[in-house]
Amino acid sequence: DQQVKQNSPSLSVQEGRISILNCDYTNSMFDYFLWYKKYPAEGPTFLISISSIKDKNEDGRFTVFLNKSAKHLSLHIVPSQPGDSAVYFCAARVNAGNNRKLIWGLGTSLAVNP
Amino acid sequence: EAQVTQNPRYLITVTGKKLTVTCSQNMNHEYMSWYRQDPGLGLRQIYYSMNVEVTDKGDVPEGYKVSRKEKRNFPLILESPSPNQTSLYFCASSGWGEQFFGPGTRLTVL
Repeated sequence: DQQVKQNSPSLSVQEGRISILNCDYTNSMFDYFLWYKKYPAEGPTFLISISSIKDKNEDGRFTVFLNKSAKHLSLHIVPSQPGDSAVYFCAARVNAGNNRKLIWGLGTSLAVNP
Repeated sequence: EAQVTQNPRYLITVTGKKLTVTCSQNMNHEYMSWYRQDPGLGLRQIYYSMNVEVTDKGDVPEGYKVSRKEKRNFPLILESPSPNQTSLYFCASSGWGEQFFGPGTRLTVL
């Protein structure tokens, strides 16, 4: 059973517009949420994170929003650029004892069109 | 440059032939982990290590071994690979924040 769900496998936006990537989760014990970006033939690269005690975190063009009551988070990219075209993964951390395991969504492939 | 390196990047092997995928990090991280990525299943944790000589199973440890003799290295060992271990493997390391990932190793077991 997927504890972290990214329901949109793909998303296409125009350059300069906003990209909104969504993620839903089921486990209330997650304490930290992260977004990673992945290009083909490379490992995931950390983008931005948010603690479960916050509702928003911003870093340049990237903002992550967390709605704990809805168990939902979203990543906003404004303005979108062609170089943002990649697969975006939502991940949640379970701080279970010594294991900082990440539970991953299946990813959303973002295409930013010039 | 802070990084996680993995070798080899690509490997094609045959059933039963022992292999090792190396992983090394230069960030002095205590925590290291191995994941495999499969279509429709996402990334799943194989093994993790909290520090030297401290390792434990993740979600899918069957058929794999690891060791952590030095802080910087965390090799993944497949004693007798089988076709169902054909996958894309990622090593990661972290302090208390985000995990840093290696570039991946694409393994094919025939």
